[in-house]
Amino acid sequence: GDSVTQMEGPVTLSEEAFLTINCTYTATGYPSLFWYVQYPGEGLQLLLKATKADDKGSNKGFEATYRKETTSFHLEKGSVQVSDSAVYFCALKSSSNTGKLIFGQGTTLQVKP
Amino acid sequence: SAVISQKPSRDICQRGTSLTIQCQVDSQVTMMFWYRQQPGQSLTLIATANQGSEATYESGFVIDKFPISRPNLTFSTLTVSNMSPEDSSIYLCSVVGDLRYGYTFGSGTRLTVV
Repeated sequence: GDSVTQMEGPVTLSEEAFLTINCTYTATGYPSLFWYVQYPGEGLQLLLKATKADDKGSNKGFEATYRKETTSFHLEKGSVQVSDSAVYFCALKSSSNTGKLIFGQGTTLQVKP
Repeated sequence: SAVISQKPSRDICQRGTSLTIQCQVDSQVTMMFWYRQQPGQSLTLIATANQGSEATYESGFVIDKFPISRPNLTFSTLTVSNMSPEDSSIYLCSVVGDLRYGYTFGSGTRLTVV
């Protein structure tokens, strides 16, 4: 079945460092891909998404490109801030009609001043 | 994007009791889902709430333990029945309205069973 694998955390960076959180997926057909962020004590917020191969999603300085050849959707940011400290979830929606999201295990990012 | 009101935001319950969580959406949505997030873990889909028919449950989740109602296109409830400490989790409602905005999540219900 469909699945999502994220790099293990926690990831600890200094402010202004470059961030990459790896995400790979297994799915049949052409899934849609998402990154969600969960700040401490809060619910999930959509960070960015891509619905087809080579699409680049971007928001708040974060980017991710849908790479079908490598089945990946890695999250990147050029310069992280302390306020980016959160848990990041990669997710996919399969091309079937079930509509459900399948989540990766989440990666905790801690940014130190 | 759709706005979700999920209640209660948190509760502490005695084992053996039941808790009903409500999810109210400000617009009609085609699909509604219920997820569980155990402490420090990712989200696991419990079921898809179907309007006017029985919910579709994922493997490992059963209707007797997690009965779900969805009487219309803007409202759903999830009940956690006969609770045990292992049910202590965050429960989240999610909806799909306009796919341009992806899936929207409620703020979650943080449940502690003692």
